[in-house]
Amino acid sequence: EVQLVESGGGLVQPGGSLRLSCATSEFTFSSFAMSWVRQPPGKGLEWVSALSGSGATTFYADSVKGRFTISRDTSKKTLYLQMNSLRAEDTAVYYCAKRMFSSGDDTFDIWGLGTMVTVSS
Amino acid sequence: DIQMTQSPSSLSASVGDSVTITCRTSESISTYLNWYQQKPGKAPKLLIHGASTLHSGVPSRFSGSGSGTDFSLTISSLQPEDFATYYCQQSYTTPRSGFGGGTKVEI
Repeated sequence: EVQLVESGGGLVQPGGSLRLSCATSEFTFSSFAMSWVRQPPGKGLEWVSALSGSGATTFYADSVKGRFTISRDTSKKTLYLQMNSLRAEDTAVYYCAKRMFSSGDDTFDIWGLGTMVTVSS
Repeated sequence: DIQMTQSPSSLSASVGDSVTITCRTSESISTYLNWYQQKPGKAPKLLIHGASTLHSGVPSRFSGSGSGTDFSLTISSLQPEDFATYYCQQSYTTPRSGFGGGTKVEI
């Protein structure tokens, strides 16, 4: 069974940094695009960033562009999200999500459990 | 950006009821519309993709329809485990997909 397990969340001061990890299993990691989606407390879902299956192309929401960096280590089957210059509005549960088909649109068939990021002084 | 309007934002229903949630987009997205279910403290789960295709393992009481700008999710004969929040997602602008605001289905 495919699983995604996020880690790396926590409490950080405004302006600080965190690196989230998403460990995967049971699928060919390099064949599928992966995304990060976040959910502020009590609110809806917001797409944050995506990495193409080849790993060559990255995409970011305007709200995080220039501050967040998505990457992966294929040998470790791990997706990362480096978050710098964090703001209070970045406070959310961060999920990694797998695209269902190796090509096509971002229908997310597998989601991680999520990791909470709190930005506060 | 494609705007998404999901309605209602919440609804009350009873076990056995049939409920319909709608999702409207600001421009045509063909059938690039997915539905997810989320329970408190849990990750979203895919229910329907491509507007009307039931994801593997999802009960047949869930159904989706629509194309273009107007879509709906129907749960026939609501079960206790169906009380949750439901989100639509447009994947037309992949990878910059967008989500609706959610519909909380309560008893």
